[in-house]
Amino acid sequence: DIQMTQSPSSLSASVGDRVTITCRASQNINTFLNWYQQRPGRAPNLLIYTASSLQSGVPSRFSGRGSGTDFTLTISSLQPEDVATYYCQQTYRIQTFGQGTKVEIK
Amino acid sequence: QVTLRESGPALVKPTQTLTLTCTFSGFSLTTSGMCVSWIRQTPGKALEWLAFIDWDDDKYYNTSLMSRLTISKDTSKNQVVLTMTNMDPVDTATYYCARRRRDDDTDSYDFWGPGTLVTVSS
Repeated sequence: DIQMTQSPSSLSASVGDRVTITCRASQNINTFLNWYQQRPGRAPNLLIYTASSLQSGVPSRFSGRGSGTDFTLTISSLQPEDVATYYCQQTYRIQTFGQGTKVEIK
Repeated sequence: QVTLRESGPALVKPTQTLTLTCTFSGFSLTTSGMCVSWIRQTPGKALEWLAFIDWDDDKYYNTSLMSRLTISKDTSKNQVVLTMTNMDPVDTATYYCARRRRDDDTDSYDFWGPGTLVTVSS
């Protein structure tokens, strides 16, 4: 099975800060990597697909990069509504979610 | 627009079989590239994929749970049904269904239902 490891597991940042979350795959997954946002009490919501493509309707402050085994999700200017847990997911072989990164406002 | 909604019992007893139904609209499960998947999330934990069914009626299961799972679809009703046998308290979770789109551009879950909480307790 392909393991997905996210870091950090949680972070606290101020409004307006640039925030970066990392996801590492245990083997090469090309760009078969998606990012989801899950606000408290809500279902996950697709933010980024195929590593760097912004899903329709998602604010442009969200961006994704990477290929192979190392990927990042960046929020260019953190907003209060970005408080959530963020998950990466690989769909290269079967599928696996990362364990999540909880983002809070300082 | 695309919507999905899960339905089923909120409470099941240990050893019972859970049956969940995903009713969807806004797309057809006969269209190439379309799939419906079940994912669960235990309280405070990460997401765990359970099973999915695709437009060609191919079925895929999480290998760690596949002996307990069955997924099926009724395209005339726009429904996907998941059964999970021999329920245990550790299966207490919120169960989501989601549309999985697999094409040249993407392989991702682009629409999700709101989820349904299932508690396993005697």
